[in-house]
Amino acid sequence: RKEVEQDPGPFNVPEGATVAFNCTYSNSASQSFFWYRQDCRKEPKLLMSVYSSGNEDGRFTAQLNRASQYISLLIRDSKLSDSATYLCVVNMKATYKYIFGTGTRLKVLA
Amino acid sequence: DVKVTQSSRYLVKRTGEKVFLECVQDMDHENMFWYRQDPGLGLRLIYFSYDVKMKEKGDIPEGYSVSREKKERFSLILESASTNQTSMYLCASSSPGQGDEQYFGPGTRLTVT
Repeated sequence: RKEVEQDPGPFNVPEGATVAFNCTYSNSASQSFFWYRQDCRKEPKLLMSVYSSGNEDGRFTAQLNRASQYISLLIRDSKLSDSATYLCVVNMKATYKYIFGTGTRLKVLA
Repeated sequence: DVKVTQSSRYLVKRTGEKVFLECVQDMDHENMFWYRQDPGLGLRLIYFSYDVKMKEKGDIPEGYSVSREKKERFSLILESASTNQTSMYLCASSSPGQGDEQYFGPGTRLTVT
């Protein structure tokens, strides 16, 4: 079983739609959680950290469920510019280790 | 804003050449990382460093070495480049005192022929 798993997609959604991605992790000792966005042939860019209480940044909402060991990302009112690959990242602080999912590809269609 | 820069965006080298990839960050981050990213495999950690002159092997260190002589600079060295090292190389930095988020450089797309 992979340490961090994501549905690779692609998720094809119309502009204005709401879309949600989940990411599951296997190590219960995981301490920090992040969502990154990666455009084609570019570097990953931090979208948001995921806190235990959940957090929201504009159209983006992230949630953490420690009991079921998953994090989620909700995008409301999708824009064409949201088309990208979304990477889930989990950090094991004591080991300096960041585990990356292979990403979920989103295509927002006009 | 955190800035991580890498010495080259694109690089073409021949098999057997020694290759140096440099990474510089300007945010006084303690931790620095080198990854490679290949289609279908995601990001894989090659080496990381949590302090000057300190280094730790990641998941795929074979064929690579690193150097960290100054806090802001982390170099990746391919001792003798091979075609299976053709990849996108990404440098990142982070600080445990600044939220643990990693910030990435723009990447170096290395082709070994």
